[in-house]
Parts: sequence; structure tokens; C-alpha cells
Amino acid sequence: ETVLTQSPGTLSLSPGERATLSCRAGQGVSSGYVAWYQQRPGQAPRLLIYATSRRATGIPDRFSGSGSGTDFTLTISRLEPEDFAVYYCQQYDGSSLWTFGHGTKVEIK
Amino acid sequence: QLQLQESGPGLVKPSETLSLTCTVSGGSMGSSSYYWGWIRQPPGKGLEWIGSVSYSGNSYFNSSLESRISISVDTSRNHFSLKMRSVTAADTAVYYCARCVLGAASYFDYWGQGTLVTVSS
Repeated sequence: ETVLTQSPGTLSLSPGERATLSCRAGQGVSSGYVAWYQQRPGQAPRLLIYATSRRATGIPDRFSGSGSGTDFTLTISRLEPEDFAVYYCQQYDGSSLWTFGHGTKVEIK
Repeated sequence: QLQLQESGPGLVKPSETLSLTCTVSGGSMGSSSYYWGWIRQPPGKGLEWIGSVSYSGNSYFNSSLESRISISVDTSRNHFSLKMRSVTAADTAVYYCARCVLGAASYFDYWGQGTLVTVSS
């Protein structure tokens, strides 16, 4: 099983600032198989990024993804009030097993 | 627009079987490009993939749960189901169903709203 470690656990920032979230895999992951989700309180997760860097439909361009191998990053260029939420990375190992990271909470400083 | 909706009991007794159904509307389940998955989230915690099933019934499970779970699909009725045996309080969670794209990329693009299942006597 590929373990995903997200850091930091909590990120305290102000609106307008840049957020950089990290997701490290225990073993190499194909770039096509990494995705990011946003979850606001009381809501289901929402797909933000798939295949490492492709934005899902309707996702603003302030969200971007990058990375390869074992290190992947979600960047929010300028935080809007609605971006304060929890973010999860997810991977597929190519053998019908999916895992999620434990999440990074982006909170208002 | 594809929609998924979970249904099932909100309260299950310890040692009994949890049964949930996910009804898919606004699209067909019969495509090899998609799997159909279950994900859960204990109160205040993160997401845990439970398992996924293809339209033809091939199923895959989280290794920590596979001895207790089964997932079935009924494409004629556009729904898929989860059964989890011998539940304990640790299985208390919000259970989500979701569509999983599987091809050159793999991700969960459509999610149900989630249903809270509490395990308690």
C-alpha cells in the first residue's frame, strides 16, 4: 500500500497569500494517478486537480498542481475566503488500490 | 449532470452488518472507463478509501477492511452497494459513494453528499 504523507498538517495564512501544500508518497507514483480534493465543513470532497496538474471543470486558475515521482504539490496562488478548507491528495497505484493522504487544513491567520 | 445518492440505515448495532446503496442518476454505470467507489470519513478525521467495483462486478478493497466487506453492482438499476460485516464503533463515519475515473488518470470526480452511519447499541 502506498502511504501518502501530507504537510504541513495545518497552514495558517491570510487572504491574498500564497499557499503551498505538500504530498509525499512512500513509493513512486505515476503522474497520471495523483489528484487533489478540497473539503469544506459539512460538505463532500470536491475534485480540484487530477493527473498531477490538470484542473477539474470549473476550478479557478489560482489552483495549480505539480510534481513527479514521490513529491507532489498543490499551490493556491492567492487565497480567497472560500479557499479556507481541508485539502487531500489521493493516489492510485496501478493495481486497483487507491489511498488518500491525511489532509492539510488551511486556516485563516 | 451525474448525481450520486447514498441510502441506508443511520444506526447499526455492534457486530451487525452495515448495508448502504448508492443510486446513480443522470448517466449510465455501464462503461469500462469508470469504477464506482466507497470512501468513508470518521468524525473529525480524514478520508479512507474502502473499495471500488467495476460495471462488470470486479471489486477491489482496502486491505485493512477486505475481510469484512463486499461491494456489488446492479447496472440495470443504476446502483451499487456496500456491505460491511461485524461492525464496531470504529466504523462510525460518514460514508460517501463516488465515481472513479480509471484510465490514463485515476480520480474521483462525482461524489454523493455522504451519509452518517453510527455504530451503537
